[in-house]
Amino acid sequence: GAVVSQHPSRVICKSGTSVKIECRSLDFQATTMFWYRQFPKQSLMLMATSNEGSKATYEQGVEKDKFLINHASLTLSTLTVASAHPEDSSFYICSALPGGPREQYFGPGTRLTVT
Amino acid sequence: GENVEQHPSTLSVQEGDSAVIKCTYSDSASNYFPWYKQELGKGPQLIIDIRSNVGEKKDQRIAVTLNKTAKHFSLHITETQPEDSAVYFCAATSYSSASKIIFGSGTRLSIRP
Repeated sequence: GAVVSQHPSRVICKSGTSVKIECRSLDFQATTMFWYRQFPKQSLMLMATSNEGSKATYEQGVEKDKFLINHASLTLSTLTVASAHPEDSSFYICSALPGGPREQYFGPGTRLTVT
Repeated sequence: GENVEQHPSTLSVQEGDSAVIKCTYSDSASNYFPWYKQELGKGPQLIIDIRSNVGEKKDQRIAVTLNKTAKHFSLHITETQPEDSAVYFCAATSYSSASKIIFGSGTRLSIRP
């Protein structure tokens, strides 16, 4: 089956620093990738849609200058949390959409803790 | 936009019994309904899905039903086992929404030994 990886799996950073999270589709090309945020005991909330070669589309309420998304290739999307603060601590999950089927394949998630 | 409601939020069943999780959606344009299982500290995994042209789909101990008229869909797990314990999410999406998945609020399923 299709595999999506994320790196790192866990990251701890100090307040004010920036953190980059990578999302890779390992055995397929993903024209579209999605970024979600999940707080403890809550559902996944879509942050943005990332399309290869174009600007990301952000959901309402998500600051595009704080959550920078780059989808530079058909197998890689990155999410950079700029000037992270403790309230940005969360579980960040990406998913990738192959060009054909509509099933999205999810990555294992990245646990971000901002101290 | 689409809104997906999921019930119950928590569910505890005896091992071997069946578990049912129900969801409703609001957008009649939604035509693809996946179900995900999420274990602690991991990303969600697709366990079964159903498209709007089908009323029921089964895969071993897992089945999903869809009532388009009522905008209801349900997950049925039979002969539950301890490894079924996890959080389950229903979701809805449509081709016209650029495949944006809208998730339900989740159901924490616990299997009692």
